Amino acid sequence: KAGVTQTPRYLIKTRGQQVTLSCSPISGHRSVSWYQQTPGQGLQFLFEYFSETQRNKGNFPGRFSGRQFSNSRSEMNVSTLELGDSALYLCASSKGPQETQYFGPGTRLLVL
Amino acid sequence: AQSVTQPDIHITVSEGASLELRCNYSYGATPYLFWYVQSPGQGLQLLLKYFSGDTLVQGIKGFEAEFKRSQSSFNLRKPSVHWSDAAEYFCAVEKSTNAGKSTFGDGTTLTVKP
Repeated sequence: KAGVTQTPRYLIKTRGQQVTLSCSPISGHRSVSWYQQTPGQGLQFLFEYFSETQRNKGNFPGRFSGRQFSNSRSEMNVSTLELGDSALYLCASSKGPQETQYFGPGTRLLVL
Repeated sequence: AQSVTQPDIHITVSEGASLELRCNYSYGATPYLFWYVQSPGQGLQLLLKYFSGDTLVQGIKGFEAEFKRSQSSFNLRKPSVHWSDAAEYFCAVEKSTNAGKSTFGDGTTLTVKP
């Protein structure tokens, strides 16, 4: 069974731009969570979607948003990029909210 | 809010030696507990998890962890470390009432000496 797929794997943007990252969950999984990983802040929860509804949201500014489509694929968007948004963005999928999460390889975003 | 502490930022062990990585959590009720491993440039791989039941949990790659409620700990152990175990290890906790939102520790980097 294919794992969680994240595209693109690497991305370079400049300050002020916006970016959209994509996550395709494991087939049959309906829950998708997003995390940001940085050397300074570690792994931080961004948001979680289940059946196209946002169930949980972490403590990030409104510049960070996401959505989930009917096929469970999810996107996250960061507007008005700042240098501090440079990070590895990880997506995890699970069958449901109380099931094991499986992580994708991540999208590494560099903001210049 | 729940929190996770991994007291050891970096641990070095010799190949073949035993390993214990510490994890302490703060949460009022019984949490869901996880250990993940991350190799450089990679995503996270689940080693094991504890939801309920037997407090000694067996995972992949020969790892095990023991949930000790009295100590609020969930330490990861392996009897004999292999060079391929060198990686960063993360302990994570979820509220049983809010599953899907994990709180992670800062991680422990494991170096394996030949």
